Amino acid sequence: NAGVTQTPKFRVLKTGQSMTLLCAQDMNHEYMYWYRQDPGMGLRLIHYSVGEGTTAKGEVPDGYNVSRLKKQNFLLGLESAAPSQTSVYFCASSYSSGQPQHFGDGTRLSIL
Amino acid sequence: AQSVTQLGSHVSVSEGALVLLRCNYSSSVPPYLFWYVQYPNQGLQLLLKYTTGATLVKGINGFEAEFKKSETSFHLTKPSAHMSDAAEYFCAVSDQIKGSNYKLTFGKGTLLTVNP
Repeated sequence: NAGVTQTPKFRVLKTGQSMTLLCAQDMNHEYMYWYRQDPGMGLRLIHYSVGEGTTAKGEVPDGYNVSRLKKQNFLLGLESAAPSQTSVYFCASSYSSGQPQHFGDGTRLSIL
Repeated sequence: AQSVTQLGSHVSVSEGALVLLRCNYSSSVPPYLFWYVQYPNQGLQLLLKYTTGATLVKGINGFEAEFKKSETSFHLTKPSAHMSDAAEYFCAVSDQIKGSNYKLTFGKGTLLTVNP
């Protein structure tokens, strides 16, 4: 049982480049989330989804887009990467809202 | 919106000593409360949760936490620290986003160091 799988695990981008982070869960969870983790800041919610075909903004959505075309997948896109987006990105999923979330191992992204 | 305060960004204890990590939240309405642990280069793992019922919650690896509504606190304890407990610990509270949808609001984390 893989749980929540994030790809890639590491990536270095140049300013202005675009990329997509993939999150896949095999627990049939309805809710999925993208967070970023920065030193001393805890985790901050970027976007979330309450079900297939739905997405919504979190605390820090600017510069990111998401899509949930399939229930098991939640994609995070950076259209034009900026150095301020250097961070560790975590995907999480949960069976229902407010319940414990299951996290992936993270994607470490550096923007030069 | 909820806020979560973890007192002490870094706590250092000796092996075998009591571990106490503090967490306070802002809401007067009893929320769902969680403690997560993060080992280096890994994601967050759920240690324990409080939803309803008994206010003393037992989790994995010998940790427990007590929900105190009057103090809006949910401190994490372990009677005897082990070297393997060295990690970063995050307190989180469920926070209403919209309608019946909730997100987790996290504290900034406490790094626990265990000295031999």
